[in-house]
Amino acid sequence: QLQLQESGPGVVKPSETLSLTCSVSGDSVRSSIYYWGWIRQSPGKGLEWIGSMYYSGYSLYNPSLKSRVTISVDTSRNEFSLKLNSVSAADTAVYYCARHEKGEQRDHFDSWGQGTLVTVSS
Amino acid sequence: QNVVTQEPSFSVSPGGTVTLTCGLTSGSVSTGNYASWYQQTAGRAPRTLIYSTNIRSSGVPDRFSGSLLGSQAALTITGAQADDECDYYCALYLTGGIVVFGGGTKLTVL
Repeated sequence: QLQLQESGPGVVKPSETLSLTCSVSGDSVRSSIYYWGWIRQSPGKGLEWIGSMYYSGYSLYNPSLKSRVTISVDTSRNEFSLKLNSVSAADTAVYYCARHEKGEQRDHFDSWGQGTLVTVSS
Repeated sequence: QNVVTQEPSFSVSPGGTVTLTCGLTSGSVSTGNYASWYQQTAGRAPRTLIYSTNIRSSGVPDRFSGSLLGSQAALTITGAQADDECDYYCALYLTGGIVVFGGGTKLTVL
């Protein structure tokens, strides 16, 4: 059974870089039909897609965040990571990692991590 | 920039039927937008209900169904139950491979 688990600091200082990792069990990040993505949810707000990456390195990012985001995949550790630089209070959110199925006639998140709250504060 | 629209809130009586919609500020939703729907209970991660407009995810009861209704994607819940009371989000695949979520609909069952 697929499990996704986010990990990383719960507090990040303004202007610094937010770094999170998602550990994957029950599937391989080298899977041919899946991308691996990040979604966030600010307190009391809706879901916002951050970006997704294929294991080969091909990535897709939300245009509004693209200049500050890097997603990477580590096939040796079967995990993927998110880096968001120059954070501000507006980046305070619960961050979810998810498996992103992008194939023939489909594009959706089919499995989600439990989420981790990251607060930007000095 | 195309924005995905959803009703902010909706209410339904227990046992009743409700249809939530998901549209675009510019243009119509088609099967090529691969509409997906997610259910989120307070404090929990989203759960995938529907993908590719009308395919139910594994384990999702057939009370939940997806469709295209005119120029929008739609999620219909029949026989509403108390634990259907939560937030529902749609997501659309747009040009360039980007994904955009709607603002979500808070469903009340009363």
